[in-house]
Amino acid sequence: KQEVTQIPAALSVPEGENLVLNCSFTDSAIYNLQWFRQDPGKGLTSLLLIQSSQREQTSGRLNASLDKSSGRSTLYIAASQPGDSATYLCAVKSGGGADGLTFGKGTHLIIQP
Amino acid sequence: NAGVTQTPKFQVLKTGQSMTLQCAQDMNHEYMSWYRQDPGMGLRLIHYSVGAGITDQGEVPNGYNVSRSTTEDFPLRLLSAAPSQTSVYFCASSYSGFRGDYGYTFGSGTRLTVV
Repeated sequence: KQEVTQIPAALSVPEGENLVLNCSFTDSAIYNLQWFRQDPGKGLTSLLLIQSSQREQTSGRLNASLDKSSGRSTLYIAASQPGDSATYLCAVKSGGGADGLTFGKGTHLIIQP
Repeated sequence: NAGVTQTPKFQVLKTGQSMTLQCAQDMNHEYMSWYRQDPGMGLRLIHYSVGAGITDQGEVPNGYNVSRSTTEDFPLRLLSAAPSQTSVYFCASSYSGFRGDYGYTFGSGTRLTVV
């Protein structure tokens, strides 16, 4: 059974810092990995989608990498801003079945002004 | 561009009552699914559908029913609500089937409290 772990569970940094959020998964047979952002009391907003054949994806100040063989992904946020404060969720779509995404429990990020 | 629409946004039920959470998408997505999100547990899959007329169980299906009569709609029914079903429920859809080659799109959620 696929398991997804996100480290750290919480992170608080001053504005302007570059930071890295980590995601690991136990079964490397995945179709893709998706990073989401969730604001308090809100739904999930997709940030980046990486296919299993890709190594990284970039969108603005966000860069996500994927190392499928080692079961790891990182989300790099450059020049962090208070508006980046949210919970970041990593989810993988595993091969072998039509069931859905397996989620990590998230990293709660606070950017201090 | 409505995306995935969930109604209601909030609901309070008494134990034993039944209700239906609505989910509709206007993106012609084949694949639809329901998740629940609980503190410390992350999101867990309840039921999913790979197309109209086809549904299957996810990780935590007990106490919930689904049907998929159209491509657009995928309602989730609570047959007899229990306090353990207090949660936030999310509906998600995917264009390219269960593989989600173009990613999954989520609704804004339904916050359900069972008293």
